[in-house]
Parts: sequence; C-alpha cells; structure tokens
Amino acid sequence: DGGITQSPKYLFRKEGQNVTLSCEQNLNHDAMYWYRQDPGQGLRLIYYSQIVNDFQKGDIAEGYSVSREKKESFPLTVTSAQKNPTAFYLCASSDRVGYGYTFGSGTRLTVV
Amino acid sequence: AQSVTQLDSQVPVFEEAPVELRCNYSSSVSVYLFWYVQYPNQGLQLLLKYLSGSTLVKGINGFEAEFNKSQTSFHLRKPSVHISDTAEYFCAVSHRSNDYKLSFGAGTTVTVRA
Repeated sequence: DGGITQSPKYLFRKEGQNVTLSCEQNLNHDAMYWYRQDPGQGLRLIYYSQIVNDFQKGDIAEGYSVSREKKESFPLTVTSAQKNPTAFYLCASSDRVGYGYTFGSGTRLTVV
Repeated sequence: AQSVTQLDSQVPVFEEAPVELRCNYSSSVSVYLFWYVQYPNQGLQLLLKYLSGSTLVKGINGFEAEFNKSQTSFHLRKPSVHISDTAEYFCAVSHRSNDYKLSFGAGTTVTVRA
C-alpha cells in the first residue's frame, strides 16, 4: 500500500545533540512537508519541498535543516540551535495540484 | 495570506448526540478547504475537502461540512457521534497563491461521553 513512513516513532535527545527524523513516501508525490505540533497551537510549517534538490523555509525554520536528494525522502535534522525541540513532528506529502496532504504517523521527540 | 480560526478549542458531547465544529477562514480569494482528524499519537487523516461545486460536502465516518462563502465558514457536522469519534479535529485552507500549502487552525478536541 502507498503511504508515508516516519521513523522512529519516539526519539530522545540529549541537550546539544543533533538528531535526524526520517520521512519516506511511496506515493510518487512531488511535494513534501515537515510540521511541528505543540498542544493548543495546531500545526506549524518548518520546511517544505516541491521538487527534488529544492526546499524552502516555513514559518519556524530556525534550528532545523532538511535535504531532498530523492523524491521519496525528506529527512529533518533538529539541530542543537533549536531551543525548544520537544514536540510531535509530522511529515506530509502532496501532489503539485495540492488537493490536501497525506500524513505520516509522526515522531515524538523529547529532550532529556 | 490565509488564516484559519476554529472557534471552539474543546467540545464535550454525549454519545448519539449531534456535534458541530466551527471553522472560519480569512481570505479575499477562492480557497480549498479541508477537515482532518487526529487520534492520539497518530498522524492526521483527511475527513473531507471542498474544492468546488456543491457547498455540502460529505466525508468519511458520517461527517459532512458546508461551505459558506459569504460567511467564510466551513463548519463540520455529524448527526450522531460515537465514542470512537473522540479525537482532535483540524480545519485547514490552501490556495494557489500560496503554492497550495495548508494553513491549519489550532484544533478542536472532541470528547464523546457515554
């Protein structure tokens, strides 16, 4: 079945460490997105990519980095510069027409 | 730019009662509208979407929504809820001018009680 796979489901990070969250899709979608979810704040866009080897900052890109070397993959790195990284991270994809997104099941990141 | 306001952050409701979740958006241009549902520790699942045509949209799990252009609203309804409808619901909007990126409301938590 086609879908989006995020891994790991739970991730613990020590202060000062970088961590990378994986997002893989087999839907043949051009566009991919990373959102951060905090209680009561909805979803906030971190980065998005509409085509391989190209990506743009979203509303809260500071402290994060991404790459898009393959159409199927859009990993997110949470760097040590991100001051409050504990959150639920969601990856999504869509076709270029943009008629809604397909979401992964999320990664919960906790800083310990 | 579009913004989305979900007017209720929490909606408690008894099983088999109707529920309405309110969503308003601000935009001066035509938009696409969506409702998503999120169960605890899971991703978002599309309930329904409005792209064009009939203003009454039917979705999965017995949900429906009505697009009202004059009131810039897209309220979600279900005539009779089940315990399994307990979840968080998000309204979202997109438009071509914003590369079809979705802007989400803050969410409405629905708690269904027996």
